[in-house]
Amino acid sequence: DSGVTQTPKHLITATGQRVTLRCSPRSGDLSVYWYQQSLDQGLQFLIQYYNGEERAKGNILERFSAQQFPDLHSELNLSSLELGDSALYFCASSVYEQETQYFGPGTRLLVL
Amino acid sequence: DAKTTQPPSMDCAEGRAANLPCNHSTISGNEYVYWYRQIHSQGPQYIIHGLKNNETNEMASLIITEDRKSSTLILPHATLRDTAVYYCIVRVRAGNMLTFGGGTRLMVKP
Repeated sequence: DSGVTQTPKHLITATGQRVTLRCSPRSGDLSVYWYQQSLDQGLQFLIQYYNGEERAKGNILERFSAQQFPDLHSELNLSSLELGDSALYFCASSVYEQETQYFGPGTRLLVL
Repeated sequence: DAKTTQPPSMDCAEGRAANLPCNHSTISGNEYVYWYRQIHSQGPQYIIHGLKNNETNEMASLIITEDRKSSTLILPHATLRDTAVYYCIVRVRAGNMLTFGGGTRLMVKP
């Protein structure tokens, strides 16, 4: 158990819908990272927040957005969902930006 | 970040040492070698990391060659629960993202 929690564990929705994935970092961690893992793309970095501020962006689609709240939990919003958005979404956290990242158990999203 | 090369798959007998190699010939002086593993769609699990010196923790040992162009992750007594995909990642310490390659699928067999 890494101490990072993610909800929900599973999510099934339809194309065109919008969903929100939630991540609670380990106690004391200030930085949160989101990754997507699909069958054909492997694990890919999406976006990072540090103490409420966006710090780095990867291959994140414009339909996706994220934020980190004052209590340091983070949410990843996925809108206008497409079949290809079906994937595992992982959140990771670290104490500071340069430190080791610890991953949560992930949210499995299925878009039908 | 430097590119890494790992064998796509390896087998290991239960109870034996598992030695997983990683080539990172273009590594820079300020880049660390990190190892993570992923057990069947679970979240990647941090194992160990190092810069120049060999490192050991309760999970594994990391051996980095003197020229730092390759490294080996050693699981001293592999168990069936060590069956997973192992990722070798080279990362600038101040970098934000982890760049995952294909990894090595380790199968531990009874």
